[in-house]
Amino acid sequence: GQSLEQPSEVTAVEGAIVQINCTYQTSGFYGLSWYQQHDGGAPTFLSYNALDGLEETGRFSSFLSRSDSYGYLLLQELQMKDSASYFCAVRGAAGNKLTFGGGTRVLVKP
Amino acid sequence: DGGITQSPKYLFRKEGQNVTLSCEQNLNHDAMYWYRQDPGQGLRLIYYSQIVNDFQKGDIAEGYSVSREKKESFPLTVTSAQKNPTAFYLCASRKDEENYGYTFGSGTRLTVV
Repeated sequence: GQSLEQPSEVTAVEGAIVQINCTYQTSGFYGLSWYQQHDGGAPTFLSYNALDGLEETGRFSSFLSRSDSYGYLLLQELQMKDSASYFCAVRGAAGNKLTFGGGTRVLVKP
Repeated sequence: DGGITQSPKYLFRKEGQNVTLSCEQNLNHDAMYWYRQDPGQGLRLIYYSQIVNDFQKGDIAEGYSVSREKKESFPLTVTSAQKNPTAFYLCASRKDEENYGYTFGSGTRLTVV
């Protein structure tokens, strides 16, 4: 089976930097994805890491270390609109499907 | 614009009833997925389909059924065998093989009354 662990909640102020860690256990691994979900809304795709290292997309960056079964999402220059839940998801060996973590709720304060 | 349409947005079910949630996409994506989300929780996979006329069980398939007769459509039926169906249901399709991003619909919130 597969399991993912991420913190349940993080609070920060506008302009700050937040790092959301994700550790995973999986029988096979092809990549780690990150999704953002605002309350009551649909998840939206943020990033995907298949190889070790850092991927940067604007204010958001994602990192993967396959040897440590670990990744993180870095949110920089936080804005109020970044208040949302963030999910890591593993693409495993069994079919082209994603297994999601429990989500990290990020609260941005003025 | 292309996207995924889920309907209805809200659905109320009586005990013992079967209900069907609609999911339609015009993205020309091959793979489609159904997830269930409970309050404050992550997404759990119910069923998925990689091609027309084929689908596989996910992690929590009991009490649910699906069909994939057309590439664009992947309806989910919540049967009376599902004892705790109240949840937020999300349909998704696979966006891009390289980045492996899913596109999600806006969801259906199902409540048992």
